[in-house]
Amino acid sequence: GDSVTQMEGPVTLSEEAFLTINCTYTATGYPSLFWYVQYPGEGLQLLLKATKADDKGSNKGFEATYRKETTSFHLEKGSVQVSDSAVYFCALSAGGGADGLTFGKGTHLIIQP
Amino acid sequence: DAGVIQSPRHEVTEMGQEVTLRCKPISGHNSLFWYRQTMMRGLELLIYFNNNVPIDDSGMPEDRFSAKMPNASFSTLKIQPSEPRDSAVYFCASSRLAGGTSKTQYFGPGTRLLVL
Repeated sequence: GDSVTQMEGPVTLSEEAFLTINCTYTATGYPSLFWYVQYPGEGLQLLLKATKADDKGSNKGFEATYRKETTSFHLEKGSVQVSDSAVYFCALSAGGGADGLTFGKGTHLIIQP
Repeated sequence: DAGVIQSPRHEVTEMGQEVTLRCKPISGHNSLFWYRQTMMRGLELLIYFNNNVPIDDSGMPEDRFSAKMPNASFSTLKIQPSEPRDSAVYFCASSRLAGGTSKTQYFGPGTRLLVL
């Protein structure tokens, strides 16, 4: 079945550091890919998405590119802030989001001032 | 606009009791999803509905779990009888089932369930 693998962390960085969170997936066909963020005590919020190969999703300084050849969707940000501290989930949907999402285990990101 | 509303936000109950979790999707959305989040298993899809009809319930753990969607603005997830291993955060999400290649799911704040 479909699966998502991501680094679990915690990942601890200093403010203004460069961030990469790796995500790879296994799926049949051409899934849509998502990054969600969860702040403490809250639900998940969509951060960005990409629906086809070579698409780049971006939002709030975060970017991720859908790489079909490496089945990856790594999350990057050039300069992180303390407010970026959260848990980040990579996810896929075979049905473009119309069916259920398959999530990775989540990466806990801690940004220190 | 109001987001996805879940109630209760926290529930503590004793083993063997019936638990009912409630969800109100975003107005106009016609797909609804129930997920469970635990430390061991992460986020798992339990069941989802399109236009109030259950489409895939293969993630429902066992017969003790049941979900209904009697109308477009309300869904319940029921556990009877509850067990300590059901302790988790249960999320409801909704989306618009429409044309296009990507349908964003919007999540509620979750119900944190503790079964003693």
